[in-house]
Amino acid sequence: GAGVSQSPSNKVTEKGKDVELRCDPISGHTALYWYRQSLGQGLEFLIYFQGNSAPDKSGLPSDRFSAERTGGSVSTLTIQRTQQEDSAVYLCASSPKIRDRNSPLHFGNGTRLTVT
Amino acid sequence: GESVGLHLPTLSVQEGDNSIINCAYSNSASDYFIWYKQESGKGPQFIIDIRSNMDKRQGQRVTVLLNKTVKHLSLQIAATQPGDSAVYFCAEIRGGSNYKLTFGKGTLLTVNP
Repeated sequence: GAGVSQSPSNKVTEKGKDVELRCDPISGHTALYWYRQSLGQGLEFLIYFQGNSAPDKSGLPSDRFSAERTGGSVSTLTIQRTQQEDSAVYLCASSPKIRDRNSPLHFGNGTRLTVT
Repeated sequence: GESVGLHLPTLSVQEGDNSIINCAYSNSASDYFIWYKQESGKGPQFIIDIRSNMDKRQGQRVTVLLNKTVKHLSLQIAATQPGDSAVYFCAEIRGGSNYKLTFGKGTLLTVNP
């Protein structure tokens, strides 16, 4: 079956521009996550959705970052007034979260964002 | 700060040998652990998971061992193949925060033919 799909796969933007990154989770997965991975580093948690609500936005680096999810499916991560330090791979993951039981996160291949 | 970390940043093995990748965690409340494999240009791929009520779990050519006494996790890969070359991450979910996966920095495994 289809996995987590992210678009675009690569994005080059000028400093100060806004960007939107899209994530299509696996069908039926209620939990959706955004992570950021800088070069040679581990994954940094950004935000978590359960359905359309985001109970944890604690990882968003600044108020320039926002995310939404509609219809319990597609999510968009928006970065306003991009800065060079925003350059990274942005990874989306989904999970068939079952109450009181953890299940693995399934990741997309990410969007590589380069801010020039 | 992070509570999941790795002892070795790089590991080089010969094809056919067994590989062991280690991971330490500091939060005794962590109750679910996952190993991921990440190849260049791709997202992390799930390998195997283990819950804190288990000490060992086996998959195809992989085994995860959990030692709660010393808060240590390891991934064993049998008969390592060139296709196993990748960065391996351990990750944990802490009890009470049962959705946020916290990742270590990763170990680069290189398999020499």
